[in-house]
Amino acid sequence: GPKVLQIPSHQIIDMGQMVTLNCDPVSNHLYFYWYKQILGQQMEFLVNFYNGKVMEKSKLFKDQFSVERPDGSYFTLKIQPTALEDSAVYFCASSPGTGGSGQLYFGEGSKLTVL
Amino acid sequence: GDSVTQTEGLVTLTKGLPVMLNCTYQTTYSPFLFWYVQHLNEAPKLLLKSSTDNKRTEHQGFYATLHKSSSSFHLQKSSVQLSDSALYFCALKGNMGYKLTFGTGTSLLVDP
Repeated sequence: GPKVLQIPSHQIIDMGQMVTLNCDPVSNHLYFYWYKQILGQQMEFLVNFYNGKVMEKSKLFKDQFSVERPDGSYFTLKIQPTALEDSAVYFCASSPGTGGSGQLYFGEGSKLTVL
Repeated sequence: GDSVTQTEGLVTLTKGLPVMLNCTYQTTYSPFLFWYVQHLNEAPKLLLKSSTDNKRTEHQGFYATLHKSSSSFHLQKSSVQLSDSALYFCALKGNMGYKLTFGTGTSLLVDP
């Protein structure tokens, strides 16, 4: 089936550093998402992105967070500076468009540990 | 805003028994409901989806029926297997946006 690839799978950094999480969405998809999951708990929506713009973001999407997809390359989530509470698994997802059920396809996740 | 409620945090069952995982939702729009399954250290994968009232949808032995009258989309299976041990999320696409709103998830543990 369609695959969403995420790089890196694991990242350990010191608090205050910057981190960029990369996502290669399904090739013909138009909508991109980031979700945050702590310790196998709830999948919490962070942000969705379409046509070069943030469509919607949650309260969890702090000012230190940013997303972009320059020239159709990776869809990235950047956190600068990182905080201890940013430790989590971040899942990227993509969906085809306005038609259909809006099913999301998820990547394997990027586990971020902030020390 | 949209919300999804999953009342069970953990369900433990013996292999071969039936299971039902509860899911109720709130939205002011016409809902699309999903069940995702997440095995340990893996991505959530779609299990079932539905937007049709009172129609049963099935996949891999699991089934669910969307009941708009009670705002429910409970997941069932008649005979659980060891490989069904996983985290199950109910999710809703209800408003005019495209995001999914997830419930808190139910861990299903199947014993031999």
